[in-house]
Amino acid sequence: AQSVSQHNHHVILSEAASLELGCNYSYGGTVNLFWYVQYPGQHLQLLLKYFSGDPLVKGIKGFEAEFIKSKFSFNLRKPSVQWSDTAEYFCAVNIKAAGNKLTFGGGTRVLVKP
Amino acid sequence: EPEVTQTPSHQVTQMGQEVILRCVPISNHLYFYWYRQILGQKVEFLVSFYNNEISEKSEIFDDQFSVERPDGSNFTLKIRSTKLEDSAMYFCASSEGGPSGNTIYFGEGSWLTVV
Repeated sequence: AQSVSQHNHHVILSEAASLELGCNYSYGGTVNLFWYVQYPGQHLQLLLKYFSGDPLVKGIKGFEAEFIKSKFSFNLRKPSVQWSDTAEYFCAVNIKAAGNKLTFGGGTRVLVKP
Repeated sequence: EPEVTQTPSHQVTQMGQEVILRCVPISNHLYFYWYRQILGQKVEFLVSFYNNEISEKSEIFDDQFSVERPDGSNFTLKIRSTKLEDSAMYFCASSEGGPSGNTIYFGEGSWLTVV
């Protein structure tokens, strides 16, 4: 069965630091890739998505992610974080041949210290 | 921006009782989903629903669970005879089309505690 791994469970950093969150998936076929964010007390919100085309995708709030097919990775980056980026971040994968479901990674809790 | 709304936000129920979680998907969306997240674990897919029937379900979604679209706006998840291990955050979601090319929008979740 396909799986999604987020290797960092918790990340603590200071404002203006750069952020990179890793996401790897285990499936060799065609995938759609997503990053969702959940701010404290709020619902899952889409940060960005990759369906096809340019493997470097830009999302909201200054986030971007790069799809590297050879590495089965879709890492999330932000060059300079703010305190308001404190949240939990989830990588998710949809396998095109396998229907409608998203398979989520375990999430990474990010704490940005002011 | 349109939102998926869920009620209740939190429900405490006794083991063995039936629970109905309610969702109002985004109005022009055609695909509806339920996911759950047990505390400390991953968000897990339960079921997808399209054209008034289940299109896909996970092995978690056994006979204890059922979904329904009782009218043109609501989408419900019923859990019969709840167990302690059903305690989780349940997320409703919807999308205009299937996730292959469409964004899935999530609600804020319903936190179910079974005691």
